[in-house]
Amino acid sequence: NAGVTQTPKFQVLKTGQSMTLQCAQDMNHEYMSWYRQDPGMGLRLIHYSVGAGITDQGEVPNGYNVSRSTTEDFPLRLLSAAPSQTSVYFCASSSPGQTDTQYFGPGTRLTVL
Amino acid sequence: AQSVTQLGSHVSVSEGALVLLRCNYSSSVPPYLFWYVQYPNQGLQLLLKYTTGATLVKGINGFEAEFKKSETSFHLTKPSAHMSDAAEYFCAVKRGSSASKIIFGSGTRLSIRP
Repeated sequence: NAGVTQTPKFQVLKTGQSMTLQCAQDMNHEYMSWYRQDPGMGLRLIHYSVGAGITDQGEVPNGYNVSRSTTEDFPLRLLSAAPSQTSVYFCASSSPGQTDTQYFGPGTRLTVL
Repeated sequence: AQSVTQLGSHVSVSEGALVLLRCNYSSSVPPYLFWYVQYPNQGLQLLLKYTTGATLVKGINGFEAEFKKSETSFHLTKPSAHMSDAAEYFCAVKRGSSASKIIFGSGTRLSIRP
């Protein structure tokens, strides 16, 4: 199993550009989440999904959209990038049958100029 | 509402010394608690977790943590630090019934002195 994969690893955007961060998992996990990590702030939940077709907002959803058309994929879209969205983004997945252990991807480092 | 406070953003210990990373939580219901480790330029991986049962939880790489309800604490310890333990450590609490609603602390960077 590849586990949780994320692409790209690095990305530089200009203010106002849009892009999609990709996340995929091959463990047949129902739950998937997106976090952003900023220095001194730990990880903050952006959006999450408890199954295909179901998504909900986390702590910091503004400026981000998600969709979950399949169990495997959970892309994160930035509609109009802002410098405040410069961060490291992590995708995670878990299964309710595994008592809440989350499996994390390697992260995407995004810089918005 | 649940939250997590990690005391000390940076801890430095000598190789072979005791490691103690502090975590306090607030929760209106019995919590699920976690410690994750992040090595440089990598994602997070689970060290250990407390759900129910025994309050002393053993994890990977010789780490353990004790759930103390009276102190609302879940401190992480390791008797003897190794150079390979240098990393950032995150305490987390599960919020609500969804496994996706996990709240992380701000992290503690552990440095090991030779």
